[in-house]
Amino acid sequence: ETGVTQSPTHLIKTRGQQVTLRCSSQSGHNTVSWYQQALGQGPQFIFQYYREEENGRGNFPPRFSGLQFPNYSSELNVNALELDDSALYLCASSLYGDQETQYFGPGTRLLVL
Amino acid sequence: LAKTTQPISMDSYEGQEVNITCSHNNIATNDYITWYQQFPSQGPRFIIQGYKTKVTNEVASLFIPADRKSSTLSLPRVSLSDTAVYYCLVGGGGGYNKLIFGAGTRLAVHP
Repeated sequence: ETGVTQSPTHLIKTRGQQVTLRCSSQSGHNTVSWYQQALGQGPQFIFQYYREEENGRGNFPPRFSGLQFPNYSSELNVNALELDDSALYLCASSLYGDQETQYFGPGTRLLVL
Repeated sequence: LAKTTQPISMDSYEGQEVNITCSHNNIATNDYITWYQQFPSQGPRFIIQGYKTKVTNEVASLFIPADRKSSTLSLPRVSLSDTAVYYCLVGGGGGYNKLIFGAGTRLAVHP
């Protein structure tokens, strides 16, 4: 519906492993933000990418990293997974200058065992 | 970015009008007020945005008093499908801006 797609939909990993999550932004949007949402809580901002560079970061350690590609799609990489990383990871796209209006994807549910 | 306060939960019945009020006492001059809706296991969905007075779209209305220290999301004639979590956010217009979500208001609509 929104045009933002994420893959995979679900993922199970074990502690210490690494994971890569992918996001395709809505057509015409040049900014991608990533959020982590733990069960029962609101989404927490991880970082934002604009022009293939990180454009702001929330309170997340460096083992959370990302990429944005020329077609504005994006990846979220998490190294050395911890149990607390289990959450719904949301990608949102927007136009730079109008980030209050963000269009979210369906998310990737990550379970770390 | 301004912090927001909204009720943790609300209950309503089908066909009723629901008003969810959000407090944002420290809102800055260039901050907009934006509301999102989220269903379980889905990403938040933009509902409505405003700066002052009243904004209405096909889904909801947003009332903002002159001092802008609060806002009210109004959902007319709710149905069971409006059961969701509603988030109120405030942020600066233009440029870099991260969305800061609180815990939101869990609205339960009963038959």
